[in-house]
Amino acid sequence: EDKVVQSPLSLVVHEGDTVTLNCSYEVTNFRSLLWYKQEKKAPTFLFMLTSSGIEKKSGRLSSILDKKELFSILNITATQTGDSAVYLCAVEGSTGANSKLTFGKGITLSVRP
Amino acid sequence: DSGVTQTPKHLITATGQRVTLRCSPRSGDLSVYWYQQSLDQGLQFLIQYYNGEERAKGNILERFSAQQFPDLHSELNLSSLELGDSALYFCASSRILGGALHEQYFGPGTRLTVT
Repeated sequence: EDKVVQSPLSLVVHEGDTVTLNCSYEVTNFRSLLWYKQEKKAPTFLFMLTSSGIEKKSGRLSSILDKKELFSILNITATQTGDSAVYLCAVEGSTGANSKLTFGKGITLSVRP
Repeated sequence: DSGVTQTPKHLITATGQRVTLRCSPRSGDLSVYWYQQSLDQGLQFLIQYYNGEERAKGNILERFSAQQFPDLHSELNLSSLELGDSALYFCASSRILGGALHEQYFGPGTRLTVT
């Protein structure tokens, strides 16, 4: 059974701090790893990673995948209170011609002013 | 606004009852996914449809069923409801079927409360 483990479970930081969120996985026939941000509504897409070692960046957020060690990290620099959310990691595994997403339980990030 | 719509927003019903949740995907998206999110279980993939056909099944109970219609909207039917079925149910859509799953766009969710 595919498994995605995120750590830490929750994190409290102050504005301006840098945070690193971790995601490790075990999946059959890995295809991609996705990061989502969920505030008090539906998840919104952040990144999709398929290749090892290639960093994806969007403003203060960046993410990288290590397919050998089966993990990914999401970095947020110069955190702001608006970054407070649950960050979800999901891994896509293939089952024949189809694919399935398995989500981790999420990391709750609280950014204090 | 993701372009994915779900109705109703909230649903309160009693144990043993049956409900239907509805989802309309973004224009042009052929794949629809259903997820259940509860406090203790996190986000759980239930089932995926592509252009009317079931493509992948996750942790979906036998009491639950879904279908995707020719106009691509999808319905999730939950029957013999139990207290533990109370959760937020999300629908998501994407353009690509397997091969390369790109970003999924999530609807706002339906909050189901079973009393």
